Amino acid sequence: ETGVTQTPRHLVMGMTNKKSLKCEQHLGHNAMYWYKQSAKKPLELMFVYNFKEQTENNSVPSRFSPECPNSSHLFLHLHTLQPEDSALYLCASSQDNNYGYTFGSGTRLTVV
Amino acid sequence: AQSVTQPDIHITVSEGASLELRCNYSYGATPYLFWYVQSPGQGLQLLLKYFSGDTLVQGIKGFEAEFKRSQSSFNLRKPSVHWSDAAEYFCAVGVIAGYSTLTFGKGTMLLVSP
Repeated sequence: ETGVTQTPRHLVMGMTNKKSLKCEQHLGHNAMYWYKQSAKKPLELMFVYNFKEQTENNSVPSRFSPECPNSSHLFLHLHTLQPEDSALYLCASSQDNNYGYTFGSGTRLTVV
Repeated sequence: AQSVTQPDIHITVSEGASLELRCNYSYGATPYLFWYVQSPGQGLQLLLKYFSGDTLVQGIKGFEAEFKRSQSSFNLRKPSVHWSDAAEYFCAVGVIAGYSTLTFGKGTMLLVSP
């Protein structure tokens, strides 16, 4: 258990489905992140939430919609995804004076 | 913009041999540097980090890394590799922007041969 929990671990969805990924941390961190990890590519930062405010959106398509209802929970809502969106989606949290991340185990998403 | 280069996509090391994974960064100020390890199907685990001070940093699992400003490098080393070290290793540079964000390299896959 890393302190950051992601559910589900695996998800298969059709291109017309709507699903959500969940991330939860109880480390008292004040920042949470979504990263996308695709084969043979660097980890791509998608969204940053700092004190529940979205502070970065790295030109992510609108079919990905983040939500941060409180400092412990982060969601990624998915709708009308494309096959190229298949990847490992990693959630992380940090405390600003630490600069290191604690990662969850990720959600392996397959879009069919 | 900051960037991280890990020039080796794959490295194979014999069990018991020494290991060095290379990492070069590009950043306009003093960097905050990290090494993470990822086992198959898992998230990333922090091995070690450099913020300031002693340029030789000790981490978990017997790993260490040395910050060399003149070479813009932060190479990861281990004197004797174990089969359980087989995994993917990521170098990252931290950017101070009111909150911490990390830019990662593409990773180096370590294979350990018997």
